[in-house]
Amino acid sequence: FMLTQPHSVSESLGKTVTISCTRSGGSIAGHYVQWYQQRPGSSPTFLIYEHNQRPSGVPDRFSGSIDSSSNSASLSISGLKTEDEADYYCQSYDSVSWVFGGGTKLTVL
Amino acid sequence: EVQLLESGGGLVQPGGSLRLSCAASGFSFGNFAMSWVRQAPGEGLEWVSGITGSGSGTFSADPVKGRFTISRDNSKNMVYLQMNSLRAEDTAVYYCAKGSRNDYGMDVWGQGMTVTVSS
Repeated sequence: FMLTQPHSVSESLGKTVTISCTRSGGSIAGHYVQWYQQRPGSSPTFLIYEHNQRPSGVPDRFSGSIDSSSNSASLSISGLKTEDEADYYCQSYDSVSWVFGGGTKLTVL
Repeated sequence: EVQLLESGGGLVQPGGSLRLSCAASGFSFGNFAMSWVRQAPGEGLEWVSGITGSGSGTFSADPVKGRFTISRDNSKNMVYLQMNSLRAEDTAVYYCAKGSRNDYGMDVWGQGMTVTVSS
């Protein structure tokens, strides 16, 4: 299966941005989606798990959701800060593999 | 504090072999799956291989099947990636990652180790 993300998104400081992740092959609802943030020159960090859960330490400005009708997941970031400028990856799995989306570069204007 | 520390990367010629190691600390190692994820220069994340907590189950992505082998030693809190028949397209930063609850994702990542395949 594949996970497709937009290559890039941009939004202004303080605004809200949403990044999509569409699954082709298999149900988005039947396989939990995770999200990761990767700042330039750093390792990825765990941002959202099991569609919409935040690990401790992740601000509630970050939220995840799924839409079964479009077989997609979304990551929303509200109150954008300059420090949110990074690459964001969705990830899911099937019985024998884990798969990442191609990543979305977020630019904060 | 949960920590993952990779070692063993470097420059290798096409067709050569390399073994990456990852030392884990700060958690009950044998209770969690572990994975290797790579990132080619300027590219996105690509899952490479995963192994269950007990080590009884291993999984690999199609591009590395038959060439890479993941293993673990729960007595030493170590996970390994043996890479054989290396190709230029295997050039990447390789991350060791700890499986999250129920192994749906990866909740802790190492600092990454560069592997360069070139003559």
